[in-house]
Amino acid sequence: KAGVTQTPRYLIKTRGQQVTLSCSPISGHRSVSWYQQTPGQGLQFLFEYFSETQRNKGNFPGRFSGRQFSNSRSEMNVSTLELGDSALYLCASSIDYTYNEQFFGPGTRLTVL
Amino acid sequence: GEDVEQSLFLSVREGDSSVINCTYTDSSSTYLYWYKQEPGAGLQLLTYIFSNMDMKQDQRLTVLLNKKDKHLSLRIADTQTGDSAIYFCAERVYGGATNKLIFGTGTLLAVQP
Repeated sequence: KAGVTQTPRYLIKTRGQQVTLSCSPISGHRSVSWYQQTPGQGLQFLFEYFSETQRNKGNFPGRFSGRQFSNSRSEMNVSTLELGDSALYLCASSIDYTYNEQFFGPGTRLTVL
Repeated sequence: GEDVEQSLFLSVREGDSSVINCTYTDSSSTYLYWYKQEPGAGLQLLTYIFSNMDMKQDQRLTVLLNKKDKHLSLRIADTQTGDSAIYFCAERVYGGATNKLIFGTGTLLAVQP
């Protein structure tokens, strides 16, 4: 069974641009969560989607948004990029939001210049 | 409050046991997890324990949970050089509209040959 896939793996953008990251969960998994990992703040929860609905959101500005499609694939978007948005963005999937196991993808490394 | 703390660094010799410690603060935690992150990679789920259990063993891994002290530990028996990585503990905060993982700062495990 294929794991969680994230594309692209690496991105370089400049300040003010916007970016879209993609996550395909494990087949049969319907819940997708996103996390941001930085050296300074560690791993922080961004948001969670289930059945195309955002169920909860972390403490991030409105520039961070996401969505989930009917096939459970998810995208997150960051608009008006800032230098501090440089991070590893990790996607995790689970069967549903009540399930206790979350499996992570390899992440997308975003660098903002 | 939500806070998970870990020591930053642990060095052991190959063949010895490693013990990585973690403390958490949220008493509503349901599950507690250990993840492993190798350089340039995402998070690999190693094991997890339900909050009403004291211990869980899975091959070389033993998880101990002291719920009274909110202390979690991961013991790796017969540590190998391939175990060198960053280890994150995480608590799952779940209830109502909330479902997210709160991660610790990570412990870098260095295994000396």
